[in-house]
Amino acid sequence: AQSVTQLGSHVSVSEGALVLLRCNYSSSVPPYLFWYVQYPNQGLQLLLKYTSAATLVKGINGFEAEFKKSETSFHLTKPSAHMSDAAEYFCAVSGVTGGGNKLTFGTGTQLKVEL
Amino acid sequence: NAGVTQTPKFRILKIGQSMTLQCTQDMNHNYMYWYRQDPGMGLKLIYYSVGAGITDKGEVPNGYNVSRSTTEDFPLRLELAAPSQTSVYFCASGEGENTIYFGEGSWLTVV
Repeated sequence: AQSVTQLGSHVSVSEGALVLLRCNYSSSVPPYLFWYVQYPNQGLQLLLKYTSAATLVKGINGFEAEFKKSETSFHLTKPSAHMSDAAEYFCAVSGVTGGGNKLTFGTGTQLKVEL
Repeated sequence: NAGVTQTPKFRILKIGQSMTLQCTQDMNHNYMYWYRQDPGMGLKLIYYSVGAGITDKGEVPNGYNVSRSTTEDFPLRLELAAPSQTSVYFCASGEGENTIYFGEGSWLTVV
């Protein structure tokens, strides 16, 4: 069984400040980990994914995440927040076990960016 | 490149009515999925399919049915709509460990 926990349902940062969104996972098999972003009234867009290659993963829009097995974490960061980053962010985990690459999602973190 | 297309975008149903949410993908993906999204709950898997003719239940399948007669199409059927099925529904497709692509969503209200 796999699960993810996103700490903080709402995060608020100032424009230009560091963005840190936390995700911890639980998986009985080597995990694949994903971060998705959802803008209001839209579908989910992939930001980045970890598939057992480099532990530091760079994604779109300046975001990156680091896979830390010892901490079972996959936190999302961005050095400098922009107003356009305001959205909901979802961490997800899957393990390809022959039953399809089913994603298990966290409950989401709403990011607010203030002037 | 259309990707994953869902219809309708918005729908209001009365309790007890039935309807089908349509989903089509043009990426020749074997795997397709239906998720529902409720506020503060993230996305929950309803049904998934690993190929034409093969479907299986996800985490929250009660009240729904699916079919997969072709690689491209994966419709979701609600037989007797209930207020608890008011949600946003997302169809998605993917292949192996590769990225899963989502449709734009279908907003369903049951009154």
